[in-house]
Amino acid sequence: DVKVTQSSRYLVKRTGEKVFLECVQDMDHENMFWYRQDPGLGLRLIYFSYDVKMKEKGDIPEGYSVSREKKERFSLILESASTNQTSMYLCASSGDRDRGYEQYFGPGTRLTVT
Amino acid sequence: RKEVEQDPGPFNVPEGATVAFNCTYSNSASQSFFWYRQDCRKEPKLLMSVYSSGNEDGRFTAQLNRASQYISLLIRDSKLSDSATYLCVVNIWGGSYIPTFGRGTSLIVHP
Repeated sequence: DVKVTQSSRYLVKRTGEKVFLECVQDMDHENMFWYRQDPGLGLRLIYFSYDVKMKEKGDIPEGYSVSREKKERFSLILESASTNQTSMYLCASSGDRDRGYEQYFGPGTRLTVT
Repeated sequence: RKEVEQDPGPFNVPEGATVAFNCTYSNSASQSFFWYRQDCRKEPKLLMSVYSSGNEDGRFTAQLNRASQYISLLIRDSKLSDSATYLCVVNIWGGSYIPTFGRGTSLIVHP
């Protein structure tokens, strides 16, 4: 069973703080993704990575950075949190070519920036 | 124009009804297709992949029409527990597989 875990379910931070969201997967998947989900806007891709130390910008990378030093771990960094980054953050991984690279999601981190 | 489009609904149906959702995609480089289910305040979970020949899993049937660029999901004999948002996902090849999500279709099954 694929397992994707995220470091926190709920997080409250202040404006201007540096925030780290961690994601770990145990299926040796090469692809990992970070999304945010807001009501009415659906899932939006922030960054993704298809290999260690590789990263690609998604649709909304501004205000975020990522780090992938190990295959199983993909971190999302908010350098200086702002209130408009209050959202649900979802991490996902994929890596099975025979299954069309279907994605598996972590439980999400609900971040509130005050 | 959004690459993957879904009717947001909600679709409000009685228990036992049959309901169908469609999803259209615009990128002909689309390679693989999925339906996910998302419950309120939870993460999306894979419901089923969608194959060119169509596929069935119990009460759920998924179909792909590459010529018209749409996929569909049919749910027979709806249960209260089917109430959720159904997300259409298309993987597009652009050097690596990039998943594109529709915004989801809300289904409410009532007694």
